[in-house]
Amino acid sequence: EAGVAQSPRYKIIEKRQSVAFWCNPISGHATLYWYQQILGQGPKLLIQFQNNGVVDDSQLPKDRFSAERLKGVDSTLKIQPAKLEDSAVYLCASSLLRGVPSYEQYFGPGTRLTVT
Amino acid sequence: KQEVTQIPAALSVPEGENLVLNCSFTDSAIYNLQWFRQDPGKGLTSLLLIQSSQREQTSGRLNASLDKSSGRSTLYIAASQPGDSATYLCAVRPNTGGFKTIFGAGTRLFVKA
Repeated sequence: EAGVAQSPRYKIIEKRQSVAFWCNPISGHATLYWYQQILGQGPKLLIQFQNNGVVDDSQLPKDRFSAERLKGVDSTLKIQPAKLEDSAVYLCASSLLRGVPSYEQYFGPGTRLTVT
Repeated sequence: KQEVTQIPAALSVPEGENLVLNCSFTDSAIYNLQWFRQDPGKGLTSLLLIQSSQREQTSGRLNASLDKSSGRSTLYIAASQPGDSATYLCAVRPNTGGFKTIFGAGTRLFVKA
């Protein structure tokens, strides 16, 4: 089975510019997650979708970050305008809504963002 | 508020040694706990997932245990190899409050040949 796909793999932008990341989850996975991983830290959940609805976005900086999953399949995460502290790896993951073992998360390769 | 701590932050061992990585969490109300491996510049690879009703899971040379009451999990790696060098992360999925997964900062493991 194909894994979680993400693009681009790397992105370098200047502060105040905008950037978008794309994620395509494993086929049939209802739940999709976006994480931010700063160097030396564990991933931090930014937003969690179940189908095309938002389950949790409590840690998403909504003044600059936005995400959508319009048809309940692939998703985009946007940052506008970017700040230096947004430099991180952005990870997308997906999981089955039900099934054994449920909620086991499968991760994509990530997008490494550098803001200069 | 759930917090996940991993000790040690870094570990260097000679090849062939058995080792234990530790993960502790502050709230025992969890749905599951998952151990991941992360190679430099790569995404996370799932190693083992333990449901809240389980005590341990095994896969090859890896064994993960879970003690919910004490808020602890361990990942045991038998007969370590240089290819095991990576960062190991544990993650807890609460069964309350939106089910937001909380990660530890990871243990960086280096296995010397």
